[in-house]
Amino acid sequence: NAGVTQTPKFQVLKTGQSMTLQCAQDMNHNSMYWYRQDPGMGLRLIYYSASEGTTDKGEVPNGYNVSRLNKREFSLRLESAAPSQTSVYFCASRRGGAGTDTQYFGPGTRLTVL
Amino acid sequence: KQEVTQIPAALSVPEGENLVLNCSFTDSAIYNLQWFRQDPGKGLTSLLLIQSSQREQTSGRLNASLDKSSGRSTLYIAASQPGDSATYLCAANSGGGADGLTFGKGTHLIIQP
Repeated sequence: NAGVTQTPKFQVLKTGQSMTLQCAQDMNHNSMYWYRQDPGMGLRLIYYSASEGTTDKGEVPNGYNVSRLNKREFSLRLESAAPSQTSVYFCASRRGGAGTDTQYFGPGTRLTVL
Repeated sequence: KQEVTQIPAALSVPEGENLVLNCSFTDSAIYNLQWFRQDPGKGLTSLLLIQSSQREQTSGRLNASLDKSSGRSTLYIAASQPGDSATYLCAANSGGGADGLTFGKGTHLIIQP
């Protein structure tokens, strides 16, 4: 049981390049989330998907797009990377329901934009 | 907008001590309050989840309490060990449209052997 997996683990981009961060969960969870973690800012929600086929903006969605490819996979895309997007990105999943259960987090992707 | 504050930001204590980490939140309309542990360079691991109707939850040497009316939660760690060294994060689940967690900035805990 792998839980939540993320690829890649590390990435360095130049300003203006694009990339997609991949996330998959094998727990048959309905809800999935993307967060970013910055020093002094804590974790902030970028986008979330309450169920397969739906996505919604979180606190800091600008500069990102997401795709809920199927129930297992939720990807985050940076179309034109900026230095301000240098961060650690975490994917999480939750079984679902009225917020009664915990979120399970992946190991993170460390992204540097030069 | 929900805001979560954790005090202290950092704490260093000798092994064996009992300690308390504090978390406060501004909006008491929460579904639950969660405590996570984060080791350096790693993801988050859930420690305890307290539903809004509960007052406390216990897991081994950890005990978390919740006082919604005052907007406070505490994480009590008994008989601390060097392996407890990590950053501890609390997060409020306010539900609603975002269905995401609002995190505090964490308490960086060091247990001295």
